[in-house]
Amino acid sequence: EADIYQTPRYLVIGTGKKITLECSQTMGHDKMYWYQQDPGMELHLIHYSYGVNSTEKGDLSSESTVSRIRTEHFPLTLESARPSHTSQYLCASSESVGTQYFGPGTRLTVL
Amino acid sequence: KNQVEQSPQSLIILEGKNCTLQCNYTVSPFSNLRWYKQDTGRGPVSLTIMTFSENTKSNGRYTATLDADTKQSSLHITASQLSDSASYICVVSAAGGTSYGKLTFGQGTILTVHP
Repeated sequence: EADIYQTPRYLVIGTGKKITLECSQTMGHDKMYWYQQDPGMELHLIHYSYGVNSTEKGDLSSESTVSRIRTEHFPLTLESARPSHTSQYLCASSESVGTQYFGPGTRLTVL
Repeated sequence: KNQVEQSPQSLIILEGKNCTLQCNYTVSPFSNLRWYKQDTGRGPVSLTIMTFSENTKSNGRYTATLDADTKQSSLHITASQLSDSASYICVVSAAGGTSYGKLTFGQGTILTVHP
């Protein structure tokens, strides 16, 4: 069982609100990732980090931003949520380019 | 363009039966292939990982095969259980250059096991 945590697990919020999705891991992994997954669809990488103070955009364009101030923490922020942001957000971490360990996900609904 | 195609999209079987899920990929250059199990509302969990030189790997009742020449993989589940109901995702990692470690995900096969 991987030690990677996401909060909240579910979030329902109104349009225009600022939200932060939390992700933390206790495995000391340098690499962390954020994926977006719509129901029945594949995961799409939206952000990744190879270490502290390193963040890069993924394959899928996203209006969200991320920060990596501490190794164990990789929060994702939406400054102004919209209904189009409704999705499941999955955080993952890995050693080097090995197996990625996923958190339980945050299911976001923007009304 | 790197792609991973899985079939079938969904599958319903009775408890105790075996089943095989397919994965075809066009990722190049190839590094490794993983099968993940994703329960509803949860994050994916790794089942197996295979590199170019491996053609079969088992994890309990799960057996994955890889044919790197035809770029095909399969996941065979033996004596299915109700807890096997989940989405099974094939993930291929690229090697070399700027694509190193880049993952391409399949859409997944949704398996439902009925009693």
